[in-house]
Amino acid sequence: SYELTQPPSVSVSPGQTARITCSADALPKQYASWYQQKPGQAPVLLIYKDSERPSGIPERFAGSSSGTTVTLTISGVQAEDEADYYCQSADSSVTYVVFGGGTRLTVL
Amino acid sequence: QVTLKESGPALVKPTQTLTLTCTFSGFSLSATGMRVSWIRQPPGKALEWLARIDWDDDKFYNTSLETRLTISKDTSKNQVVLTMTNMDPVDTATYYCARTGDSGLSDYFDFWGQGTLVTVSS
Repeated sequence: SYELTQPPSVSVSPGQTARITCSADALPKQYASWYQQKPGQAPVLLIYKDSERPSGIPERFAGSSSGTTVTLTISGVQAEDEADYYCQSADSSVTYVVFGGGTRLTVL
Repeated sequence: QVTLKESGPALVKPTQTLTLTCTFSGFSLSATGMRVSWIRQPPGKALEWLARIDWDDDKFYNTSLETRLTISKDTSKNQVVLTMTNMDPVDTATYYCARTGDSGLSDYFDFWGQGTLVTVSS
């Protein structure tokens, strides 16, 4: 089955930059999205089409793509950014949606 | 303002059929391009996409669960219904419905319901 690979955890100090990666062979041919999920809450869309930001999402959240890896960059990390982050894309058939395993961001 | 809300039983027994309803507002599933998906998340685990229904009644399923899932819509009620047969304890999860955008290459989920926890236990 198709998988998106994320690091289980990333730690960063307040004000620093956090980078969360997501890798898969089909990513050069597909768009990726990113979601933030805080405990007990539904996921929130942060990034779609690799780098587009929905209205209301702060500019410090940015997405990028290079080859088989997409990256979520959070600039000037704040304590409130501590959450689980999921990437999401599709397999080559386009109709099969897949999520990454999630990355727990810890703000030290 | 787009909102979605899931409803259904909190507890089902093994082998039973689960029926969940997503009631939404702020958009119409009869409008061209509109789509709604179901996604679940077992406690402490990652998200898993289950199914999608489109404005034109096209339906798509997670291939690993396809034989157990049925998705349908009632446009007049602004509702999407998911049924999952032969429930098992491993199906214990929070089930979300989400409005689904189309990037042209892959879906994305721009509005989510609050989720409903379904526990499968005898």
